[in-house]
Amino acid sequence: EAGVAQSPRYKIIEKRQSVAFWCNPISGHATLYWYQQILGQGPKLLIQFQNNGVVDDSQLPKDRFSAERLKGVDSTLKIQPAKLEDSAVYLCASSPGTLGTQYFGPGTRLLVL
Amino acid sequence: SQQGEEDPQALSIQEGENATMNCSYKTSINNLQWYRQNSGRGLVHLILIRSNEREKHSGRLRVTLDTSKKSSSLLITASRAADTASYFCATDESRVAQKLVFGQGTRLTINP
Repeated sequence: EAGVAQSPRYKIIEKRQSVAFWCNPISGHATLYWYQQILGQGPKLLIQFQNNGVVDDSQLPKDRFSAERLKGVDSTLKIQPAKLEDSAVYLCASSPGTLGTQYFGPGTRLLVL
Repeated sequence: SQQGEEDPQALSIQEGENATMNCSYKTSINNLQWYRQNSGRGLVHLILIRSNEREKHSGRLRVTLDTSKKSSSLLITASRAADTASYFCATDESRVAQKLVFGQGTRLTINP
């Protein structure tokens, strides 16, 4: 079974630029999560999708972050414009339903200069 | 916000010894999960313990949960070099859909 795929693996941008991350969850998984992990900290949930609907985006900085999962399969997370404090690893995870184990992708490491 | 606090923040032991990591949290939970993260990689689920369970085993892993003290511990027995990683506890407090809140993690180093 293929795992959660993410791209790119690494991205370096300057502040005020835009960046987008892509995630393809495990086939058949209805729930998709985006997390932000700052160095030395645990992951923090940004947004949770159930199929193509948003379940929780309470911690998503909506003035600069956006995410979509149009067909209920893969998802993109965008930051526009980026700030220095956005430097982090962005993790995507999926699960079959809304409960239970989450399966994580390798993450995208973002550095904002 | 991060609910869980792991203790210690870093732990270094010799191969073959047991490693114990602790997690404390603040609110009522449905379940508590432990994840492992190798350097530069994503998280891997290790074990889930429900709020009505007190102890759970999986291979060399033993997890305990004390809801009265709002704390959990992860014991890794007979440690191996491959166990070197960061370990995170995550609490699920949502009643509708799972929302995991992760702690800051314990960095475990196993010395050969």
